[in-house]
Amino acid sequence: KNEVEQSPQNLTAQEGEFITINCSYSVGISALHWLQQHPGGGIVSLFMLSSGKKKHGRLIATINIQEKHSSLHITASHPRDSAVYICAVPGNQFYFGTGTSLTVIP
Amino acid sequence: NAGVTQTPKFQVLKTGQSMTLQCAQDMNHNSMYWYRQDPGMGLRLIYYSASEGTTDKGEVPNGYNVSRLNKREFSLRLESAAPSQTSVYFCASSETLAGGANTGELFFGEGSRLTVL
Repeated sequence: KNEVEQSPQNLTAQEGEFITINCSYSVGISALHWLQQHPGGGIVSLFMLSSGKKKHGRLIATINIQEKHSSLHITASHPRDSAVYICAVPGNQFYFGTGTSLTVIP
Repeated sequence: NAGVTQTPKFQVLKTGQSMTLQCAQDMNHNSMYWYRQDPGMGLRLIYYSASEGTTDKGEVPNGYNVSRLNKREFSLRLESAAPSQTSVYFCASSETLAGGANTGELFFGEGSRLTVL
């Protein structure tokens, strides 16, 4: 049983394309986290959101609490956005999606 | 700002050897976690500690022991390493309310790449 489902698992895009990664969850939550991991690298937190929308530069995260769904959008994608994007929801511990591996081709 | 620091970054062990991964956080967080990350498996929780003096098993605890030495430090020990424990290990911490609900951002260490031959 997966509390968190992400889609797609893999995504290849041309530089400049608009990208959307989806996350659905089954548990009640106070907030949802989006994380980024570059190849061979550590894991960093991009967003923590509990309602509505947040924006950092070209990254936008939205959440619909009623539908238990969140999306991460990347506008004007760039090769440096190539990474694995992971959504996570908290309980007494954290539940993670298996990640979306994004490759942006120049 | 150090955040979460874990050591060592790389380690090669022979089957049956023991080792301890160290983790420390300087954010005064109550909760600390140890995860392993394997290709295609995502992050899997080994053990976590909701507060100083408490530890709980996660999804994959077999072959590991942990110790929450104080609020800052949470160590992971492999008593007798096996090739199946070859993985990348991440320590993380977050803030929690009384009762255990996580409320804050999740911070990760840089990872420790362990190879067991």
